[in-house]
Amino acid sequence: GAVVSQHPSWVICKSGTSVKIECRSLDFQATTMFWYRQFPKQSLMLMATSNEGSKATYEQGVEKDKFLINHASLTLSTLTVTSAHPEDSSFYICSAVQDLNEKLFFGSGTQLSVL
Amino acid sequence: KQEVTQIPAALSVPEGENLVLNCSFTDSAIYNLQWFRQDPGKGLTSLLLIQSSQREQTSGRLNASLDKSSGRSTLYIAASQPGDSATYLCAVCGGDSSYKLIFGSGTRLLVRP
Repeated sequence: GAVVSQHPSWVICKSGTSVKIECRSLDFQATTMFWYRQFPKQSLMLMATSNEGSKATYEQGVEKDKFLINHASLTLSTLTVTSAHPEDSSFYICSAVQDLNEKLFFGSGTQLSVL
Repeated sequence: KQEVTQIPAALSVPEGENLVLNCSFTDSAIYNLQWFRQDPGKGLTSLLLIQSSQREQTSGRLNASLDKSSGRSTLYIAASQPGDSATYLCAVCGGDSSYKLIFGSGTRLLVRP
């Protein structure tokens, strides 16, 4: 099946630094990629939808200046958490889809811990 | 606003037992419904996808059903194994084809050897 690679899998950083998370579709062209965050023992919450070559669409309550999303190519989307703070500590997961009639494929997730 | 609920929140069964996980959603205008598996601290694995026009999908020991009119889906796991222990999430995709998934809070399954 299709593979989505997410990197890094684990990040520990100091408060105030910026963290970039990459999401790559390895064997298909992802027209659309999604970014989710998950707090402990809670479900996934959609943060934003990104389409290649256009600006991301953010869900209500998600700060676009805080969470910068770039979908520069059909195989790569990046999420940058700018000036990270402890409350940004969470599990971030990306997903990608080639065709809206097909399954979404998810990355393995990134655990972000901000000290 | 679409809401997805999963019952039970946690389930512990002995190995070999057949079990059913439940998912309900409030808005029946869905594009599809998916079941995922999540292992601790890891991403998601897609198990089954049911299009809105379908009633069920099967993959190995897994069978998922969809009753769109009543807003319900079930995931049936036959002959459970310890390796099935994980959190199972259902998610519905809205009928506007934006492919936004609304997730339930999951069922944490433990299969005891």
